[in-house]
Amino acid sequence: DIQMTQSPSAMSASVGDRVTITCRASQDISTYFAWFQQKPGKVPKRLIYGASRLQSGVPSRFTGSGSGTEFTLTISSLQPEDFATYYCLQHRNYPYTFGQGTKLEI
Amino acid sequence: EVQLVESGGGLVKPGGSLRLSCAASGFSFSHYDLSWVRQAPGKGLEWVSAISSSGYSYYAGSVEGRFTISRDNAKNSVFLQMNSLRAEDTAVYYCARELGPDWGQGTLVTVSS
Repeated sequence: DIQMTQSPSAMSASVGDRVTITCRASQDISTYFAWFQQKPGKVPKRLIYGASRLQSGVPSRFTGSGSGTEFTLTISSLQPEDFATYYCLQHRNYPYTFGQGTKLEI
Repeated sequence: EVQLVESGGGLVKPGGSLRLSCAASGFSFSHYDLSWVRQAPGKGLEWVSAISSSGYSYYAGSVEGRFTISRDNAKNSVFLQMNSLRAEDTAVYYCARELGPDWGQGTLVTVSS
């Protein structure tokens, strides 16, 4: 199975900060990769697909990059509504696997 | 508008069974893969199972042999039959279309004596 390792597991930041979250795959997954955001009690929301493609309706301050085994999600200027938990997902091979999550706190 | 509505969750004893349903609307159901994803209380997301548009099924190792996914294209529905349930299967179960932007609201499964 492909393991997805996210870092950090948690982080604190302030409104206006630039933030980067990293996800590493245990083997090459090309760009079969996505980022999700989840707020407490809410359904996960896909932000990025194909490693770097912005989901329609998602603000442009969210940027995804990477391919192969290393991926990053960058939020250029944190807004209050961005404080949430972020998950990466590989869908290159079954079983699909999520990262363990990164909790972004104020 | 795409809609996915899960049902069938509830309280079940360890070793028991439960069948989840996900009713879909707003898209050509038969053309899409569907997945189940779960989230235990206070934990992260875990992909559970998927069924392709052609009916092939896939499972996480943690549920292989206990869970069975199926679909009924005539009823625009996907199902998850869960047998031999364990306490660690307690979670909110989400139905998702191709793990894209379309997810249901989830149904809670609690396995407890």
